[in-house]
Amino acid sequence: EVQLQQSGPEVGRPGSSVKISCKASGYTFTDYVMNWVKQSPGQGLEWIGWIDPEYGSTDYAEKFKKKATLTADTSSSTAYIQLSSLTSEDTATYFCARSGGYSAYYVMDAWGQGASVTVSS
Amino acid sequence: DVQMTQSPSNLAASPGESVSINCKASKSISKYLAWYQQKPGKANKLLIYSGSTLQSGTPSRFSGSGSGTDFTLTIRNLEPEDFGLYYCQQHNEYPWTFGGGTKLELK
Repeated sequence: EVQLQQSGPEVGRPGSSVKISCKASGYTFTDYVMNWVKQSPGQGLEWIGWIDPEYGSTDYAEKFKKKATLTADTSSSTAYIQLSSLTSEDTATYFCARSGGYSAYYVMDAWGQGASVTVSS
Repeated sequence: DVQMTQSPSNLAASPGESVSINCKASKSISKYLAWYQQKPGKANKLLIYSGSTLQSGTPSRFSGSGSGTDFTLTIRNLEPEDFGLYYCQQHNEYPWTFGGGTKLELK
């Protein structure tokens, strides 16, 4: 069974950084890219970007290029998203979700349960 | 970026009824439209992709139609487990973009 297990809730101070993890199991980690999606409180979904765990290549939505950094550790089958220079706008739930490859034509067929980030002083 | 407009934002129905949710793209996305279900405490679930292809495990009461800019998700003979949030997403080009969501509630 494919599972994406995300880390627990994070609280970050304004201006600081947080890092969320997503541990994959049930499939070969390097056979899929990992996406990240943001959901602000009571809002819809925003795609942040993807990482190819095998090569470390990434692609980001323009809006998140200076906010998010995607990394992956193939030895532990874990993907990470680091959010920097936190502001209240970053308070949200962040999902990881796998897709089949680089092409936009792929879809996100397995999702993590979400990890909440709260920015508060 | 492709803007996705989903309607209605809220929908109330009873088990056994049929409902439709619409999604409109700001430009042609060919057939590349996906539908997801979101429920509290559960991982988001891919229901349909490429407009009308059912993801493995999606019940046959779900169907998708449309191409170009206009798409529809239809759920026939609603079951209690179908109530929740539904999102459309274009997967024709990056950045992927989502509709604003439809909350399907029990009447």
